[in-house]
Amino acid sequence: DIQMTQSPSSLSASVGDRVTITCRASQGITNDLGWYQQKPGKAPKRLIYAASSLESGVPSRFSGSGSGTEFTLTISSLQPEDFATYYCLQFHTYPFTFGPGTKVDIK
Amino acid sequence: EVQLVESGGGLVQPGGSLRLSCAASGFTFNDYYMDWVRQAPGKGLEWVGRSGIKANRYTTEYAASVKGRFTISRDDSYNSLYLQMNSLKTEDTAVYYCTRGVGNWGQGTQVTVSS
Repeated sequence: DIQMTQSPSSLSASVGDRVTITCRASQGITNDLGWYQQKPGKAPKRLIYAASSLESGVPSRFSGSGSGTEFTLTISSLQPEDFATYYCLQFHTYPFTFGPGTKVDIK
Repeated sequence: EVQLVESGGGLVQPGGSLRLSCAASGFTFNDYYMDWVRQAPGKGLEWVGRSGIKANRYTTEYAASVKGRFTISRDDSYNSLYLQMNSLKTEDTAVYYCTRGVGNWGQGTQVTVSS
């Protein structure tokens, strides 16, 4: 199985900060990666698909990059509604696997 | 608008069975792969499995943790996805989400396995 790791596991940031989350795959997955945001008690919401494509309706402050084994999610200017947990998911090979998550909270 | 509505969750004893349903609307159901994803209390997301489409003979894939115990099926005439869960274990306790190809998600249904 492909193992996904994320760093950091948590971070504290202020409104307006630039935030970067990294996801690494144990083997190459081309660009078969998505990024998800989950708020407490809610279903996850996909922000990015195919590593760098922004879902319709998602603010442009979110961006994704990378291919192969290393990927990043960047929030260019953190907003109050962005405090949440973020997960990456590889859908290159079965079984699909999620990263363990990165919790973004308020400094 | 894509809508996915799960149902069928509840409390079941270890070793028991439960069948979850997902009613889909707002898109051409039979064109899409469908997945189940779960989240144990206070934990991360775990992909459970996928249903293929008619073009690939409805091929299914599963996570190792559920293979042989869970079965995913679909009924394209009813725009519905199902998850039959047998031989349930306490570690299967989770919110179960129906997803359209891990893109759109339902609101989830709680499954609790406890004696």
